[in-house]
Amino acid sequence: GEDVEQSLFLSVREGDSSVINCTYTDSSSTYLYWYKQEPGAGLQLLTYIFSNMDMKQDQRLTVLLNKKDKHLSLRIADTQTGDSAIYFCAESRFGSSNTGKLIFGQGTTLQVKP
Amino acid sequence: EAGVTQSPTHLIKTRGQQATLRCSPISGHTSVYWYQQALGLGLQFLLWYDEGEERNRGNFPPRFSGRQFPNYSSELNVNALELEDSALYLCASHNSPRYRGNQPQHFGDGTRLSIL
Repeated sequence: GEDVEQSLFLSVREGDSSVINCTYTDSSSTYLYWYKQEPGAGLQLLTYIFSNMDMKQDQRLTVLLNKKDKHLSLRIADTQTGDSAIYFCAESRFGSSNTGKLIFGQGTTLQVKP
Repeated sequence: EAGVTQSPTHLIKTRGQQATLRCSPISGHTSVYWYQQALGLGLQFLLWYDEGEERNRGNFPPRFSGRQFPNYSSELNVNALELEDSALYLCASHNSPRYRGNQPQHFGDGTRLSIL
């Protein structure tokens, strides 16, 4: 199947770390993305990782990839109220199976309490 | 550098009418993608245009169509509008994946289409 699955809701306190989880289906030539969507806006690319990597860090964001379990996580350190948004995990495939499209999870709503 | 731009921001139509949505990709990008974000249905792939040609199509009826112009901008046309077509329509662009490997897609802010 083509499902990418995420937990739907996460609530944290300001200053805590947030961890948003995602599972995907394809195993080989895959890029995995995290996008952020604020109310009334489009999708903002946060970070992405190729499936032969284990980890990628970019300022407050850390992406961890467990290829065996096809599990991806996004950790946001020192979460701020401005981080409140919907976070989408997405998968794209290239090579012989390249269809050009992104396959999205359902989105995780992150609520940051002051 | 300008990002992906979409117009109009909002569009209100009635059932049976036709809607045209427009997208301008990031300068230098040749691929344009269209996605539908409907309430309760998540983000679903609609169409992919690359260098002027339709390359892939999602599971949508033929009344959803589009085209890509020589300057790589794109139009999405929806004919015979139905209530369930109410959604946010997002456009994304990147360099052609066929020739430059896999690059992230960059999105516009979308067109919110409301069907009355």
